[in-house]
Amino acid sequence: QVTLRESGPALVKPTETLTLTCSFSGFSLSTSGMSVSWVRQPPGKALEWLALIHWDDDKDYSTSLKTRLTISKDTSNNQVVLTMTNMDPVDTATYYCARMGGWGTDGMDVWGQGTTVTVSS
Amino acid sequence: DIVLTQSPGTLSLSPGERATLSCRASQSISSAYLAWYQQKPGQAPRLLLFGASSRATGIPDRFSGSGSRTDFTLTINRLEPEDFAVYYCQHFGSSPRVTFGQGTKLEI
Repeated sequence: QVTLRESGPALVKPTETLTLTCSFSGFSLSTSGMSVSWVRQPPGKALEWLALIHWDDDKDYSTSLKTRLTISKDTSNNQVVLTMTNMDPVDTATYYCARMGGWGTDGMDVWGQGTTVTVSS
Repeated sequence: DIVLTQSPGTLSLSPGERATLSCRASQSISSAYLAWYQQKPGQAPRLLLFGASSRATGIPDRFSGSGSRTDFTLTINRLEPEDFAVYYCQHFGSSPRVTFGQGTKLEI
């Protein structure tokens, strides 16, 4: 059974750096064609893709946020970590991680339950 | 950059009816990299279709997808009460790597 679970602080202050961890099981991020994405959703708004890390450690970032984002993986511990610097109240959202296989053709077939992050002083 | 535009923004229908949701790409894309998701309040999105028309595991056959190049459609036949939700299309490309549409809310 494939599962993903996000963890991190529920509350961060403006200008702080957010660090989120996606812990997964049931698959290997070393498998060719596999990737894990981070997606966020502000309250009442649409999904927004943030970053993706591929099985071969290649990384992709949202054009608008790439200067603030860093994604990394710890394959042996089955974790993917996202850091976002200089947090602002507009970054208040639920943050999801999701698996994607098949070099992107399989869609994001398994999602974590999401973790809610509030940015406030 | 590829932009996905979904229409309508809100679709009001009744159980038993057919829903037709549109996803239009700003430039031609491969259908192999087009997916659809359903999201209910308080829940994570759920993959419905990948490759524009292939149903994900456990998705009933009243959900179907079609389209090519710039125009893609999600059709839901014989709406059930549990189908009322928000639907998103998503593309996996080169730059940006992943794009979501803004969503269509299907309401009763």
